[in-house]
Amino acid sequence: KQEVTQIPAALSVPEGENLVLNCSFTDSAIYNLQWFRQDPGKGLTSLLLIQSSQREQTSGRLNASLDKSSGRSTLYIAASQPGDSATYLCALPNQGGKLIFGQGTELSVKP
Amino acid sequence: DAEITQSPRHKITETGRQVTLACHQTWNHNNMFWYRQDLGHGLRLIHYSYGVHDTNKGEVSDGYSVSRSNTEDLPLTLESAASSQTSVYFCASSESAGDQDEQFFGPGTRLTVL
Repeated sequence: KQEVTQIPAALSVPEGENLVLNCSFTDSAIYNLQWFRQDPGKGLTSLLLIQSSQREQTSGRLNASLDKSSGRSTLYIAASQPGDSATYLCALPNQGGKLIFGQGTELSVKP
Repeated sequence: DAEITQSPRHKITETGRQVTLACHQTWNHNNMFWYRQDLGHGLRLIHYSYGVHDTNKGEVSDGYSVSRSNTEDLPLTLESAASSQTSVYFCASSESAGDQDEQFFGPGTRLTVL
């Protein structure tokens, strides 16, 4: 059974710092991995989707990498801004596209 | 632009009442999913559908039902609401039965059962 873990549960950084969020999974036979952002009281916004055949995906200041053999993905945020403050979730689909989520990392970027 | 909408956004009900949460997507996606989000448990799958007239149970399906009469809608019904069903409910959709597809989420419905 696939298990997804995100460490740390919370992270506070000063504005402008580069940071890395971690996601680990137990079963390396994955189809893809999706990173989401969730603002308080809001829904989930898809940030990046990495297919199993890819090593990384980039969108603006965000870069997500995938290492299936080690069961890890990282989300790199460059030059963090207070507007980046949110909870970041990673999720992997099992067969049939049903997502299994990590518990999330709550990021706070201080001005 | 295509989107997923959920209604109501907030709902307060009493124990034992039947409640239906609506989910409507204009992506024309075949796959639709319902998740609930709770502190300490994260997001968990309730029910899902791969197309019209197809419904399947997820991890936490007890006390919930869904029906899929068209592509756009997957309403979630709580047959007899319980306090344990107080949660935030999210609907999601993806394009096909393939496992490669990005999943898109609605804004959520916050349900309180008193």
